[in-house]
Amino acid sequence: EVQLAESGGGLVQPGGSLRLSCAASGFTFSTSSMNWLRQAPGKGLEWVANIKQDGSEKYYVDSVKGRFTISRDNAKNSLYLQMNSLRAEDTAVYFCAREKGYGSINGYNDYWGQGTLVIVSS
Amino acid sequence: QVVLTQSPSASASLGASVKLTCTLSSGHSTYAIAWHQQQPEKGPRYLMKLNSDGSHMKGDGIPDRFSGSSSGAERYLTISSLQSEDEGDYYCQTWVTDNRVFGGGTKLTVL
Repeated sequence: EVQLAESGGGLVQPGGSLRLSCAASGFTFSTSSMNWLRQAPGKGLEWVANIKQDGSEKYYVDSVKGRFTISRDNAKNSLYLQMNSLRAEDTAVYFCAREKGYGSINGYNDYWGQGTLVIVSS
Repeated sequence: QVVLTQSPSASASLGASVKLTCTLSSGHSTYAIAWHQQQPEKGPRYLMKLNSDGSHMKGDGIPDRFSGSSSGAERYLTISSLQSEDEGDYYCQTWVTDNRVFGGGTKLTVL
C-alpha cells in the first residue's frame, strides 16, 4: 500500500524558516517523480514544486522561487521542502504527492499524503 | 499558459447522477487531465486520468460509479448513484514539463 506521511509543519514568524518532510512507503521511491502542493485555508489546490526521480531537475511555482528548495533522499525514501523567508501568504496545508510519470508525460499525482499545516504569523 | 476552468458548485440528490465539467483554455483542447476528489478535512484522492478521446484510467479502488468523458476542450466527471460520501471538492489537473495546473475546484453537495 502506497503511503505518504508529511511532517514538520507548525507556527513560524514571517521571515522565518521551516523544513517539511515526507516519508514514503509502499512503492519504489527512487523511480518516482514527486511534488509538493499546498492549500491555503478555504482555497483550492496549488502546485508548489516538483523534483525528478534522481533529483537532477527541479521546478517551482513563481511565488516560491528563490525561497523554497525541494530535495529528496532516495536512500531514506524521503522528500523534503526547505522553506525560507516565509510570508503570511505561505500559510497553508502542504501535501506531498507522487507523480504517475514525469513532466509532460503523465505528470499528474496518483497518490497524496494527508498534509501538514504551516501557519506563518507573528 | 494552460488554464482550467470549473464551476464553483454543483448539487444533486442522493442516488442521482451528476456531471462535473473542467474546461481547458483555448489552444489546449487536446490536453489530458486528471480528476481528484477531496472529502471534507481530508487529503485529495486521485480518481482518474482522462484523455482527449474520452479514454480514462482510474486510480486504485475507484468505484465504477465514477466515469469520465471528453468533448473538445471539455473534460467531464460523471458520478452516478450518488452517495453521501461523494460530497466534497473535485479538482481537475493538467501538466506540462515545468508546471502542474489545477482548476479552481467544484464543491459538490449531495442533497
